[in-house]
Amino acid sequence: QKEVEQNSGPLSVPEGAIASLNCTYSDRGSQSFFWYRQYSGKSPELIMSIYSNGDKEDGRFTAQLNKASQYVSLLIRDSQPSDSATYLCAVSNDYKLSFGAGTTVTVRA
Amino acid sequence: DAEITQSPRHKITETGRQVTLACHQTWNHNNMFWYRQDLGHGLRLIHYSYGVQDTNKGEVSDGYSVSRSNTEDLPLTLESAASSQTSVYFCASSESRLPAYEQYFGPGTRLTVT
Repeated sequence: QKEVEQNSGPLSVPEGAIASLNCTYSDRGSQSFFWYRQYSGKSPELIMSIYSNGDKEDGRFTAQLNKASQYVSLLIRDSQPSDSATYLCAVSNDYKLSFGAGTTVTVRA
Repeated sequence: DAEITQSPRHKITETGRQVTLACHQTWNHNNMFWYRQDLGHGLRLIHYSYGVQDTNKGEVSDGYSVSRSNTEDLPLTLESAASSQTSVYFCASSESRLPAYEQYFGPGTRLTVT
């Protein structure tokens, strides 16, 4: 079983819709959870960090964490063409990160 | 502004040659990491360092080495390049402040081994 699993893509959403990305992890001791965005040919860029159960909102992005279910998600509201990218879920219980394989999102006009 | 840089950005080398990829950060972060990214495998950790003179192996460390002589730099050396090491390499760094393990990535080096 992989340490971090993300819903398989690609995910295609119309402009203005909500994109929902899911991630599950196997290590119950994980304390820190991150979402990175990676444009094609570029490096991963940190967009959200979440450390406690519940929701965390930052602009059009909302991260949700449920440690009991070992589940973290990312919602992108009012999706824009500029949101078309691969989104990586990362989980940590020390300074190292374990990454999921990523979900590619395409926002169609 | 503080940043993390990698050089070269692109490199073509021949099988069997030694190659060193540079990583330099100006955030004064204690922690530095090297990853490779390949289609179908995502980001995989090669080596990491939690401070000067500290180095540790990651999940795909065979054929790679690192050394940490100062806070700013963590060069990655491929001892004898193999075609299987053709990949995109990313360096990252983070603070040692709990629980913030946020890692920030460099622009990457695309390495081709022919």
